[in-house]
Amino acid sequence: DVKVTQSSRYLVKRTGEKVFLECVQDMDHENMFWYRQDPGLGLRLIYFSYDVKMKEKGDIPEGYSVSREKKERFSLILESASTNQTSMYLCASSFTVDEQFFGPGTRLTVL
Amino acid sequence: AQSVSQHNHHVILSEAASLELGCNYSYGGTVNLFWYVQYPGQHLQLLLKYFSGDPLVKGIKGFEAEFIKSKFSFNLRKPSVQWSDTAEYFCALVNTGFQKLVFGTGTRLLVSP
Repeated sequence: DVKVTQSSRYLVKRTGEKVFLECVQDMDHENMFWYRQDPGLGLRLIYFSYDVKMKEKGDIPEGYSVSREKKERFSLILESASTNQTSMYLCASSFTVDEQFFGPGTRLTVL
Repeated sequence: AQSVSQHNHHVILSEAASLELGCNYSYGGTVNLFWYVQYPGQHLQLLLKYFSGDPLVKGIKGFEAEFIKSKFSFNLRKPSVQWSDTAEYFCALVNTGFQKLVFGTGTRLLVSP
């Protein structure tokens, strides 16, 4: 069973803080993804990575950065959190263009 | 650019009613299509997928979807819904040249007992 875990289920931060969201997968998948999920907007891709130290911008990368130092770990970084980054953040991994496996999500609130 | 449209944002049904959720996409090339489901408080998970072959695909929990290329559609169906089908459903596609999914905005289904 593929497992994708995220470091926190709920997180509350203040405007201007640096925020780290961690994601770990245990299936040796090449591809990892970060999405944000907002009501009425579905899932929007922030960043993705095809391999260690590789990263590609998704559809809404502004205000975010990522790090992939190890194959199993993909981190999302909010350099200076803002209230419009309050959202549910989902991490996913996949082997090919086939099924993506999702983590439980981190609900981030920025005050 | 690729896009996925789900026109029904909220659907309310009684148990045993039939379900059809619409999904249309825009992309002229070859695509792989997916339906994902997110039950309350749970992970997003795959319901079914279409890559090629028989355009009628069957998924888990009695769901099926039909790929109609001429209509750029991939509608999700279930003949008789249950209260446990209450969830949010997302249609998605991936261009076979890329690895990233493009999601629709989702449809919230509420099934009343």
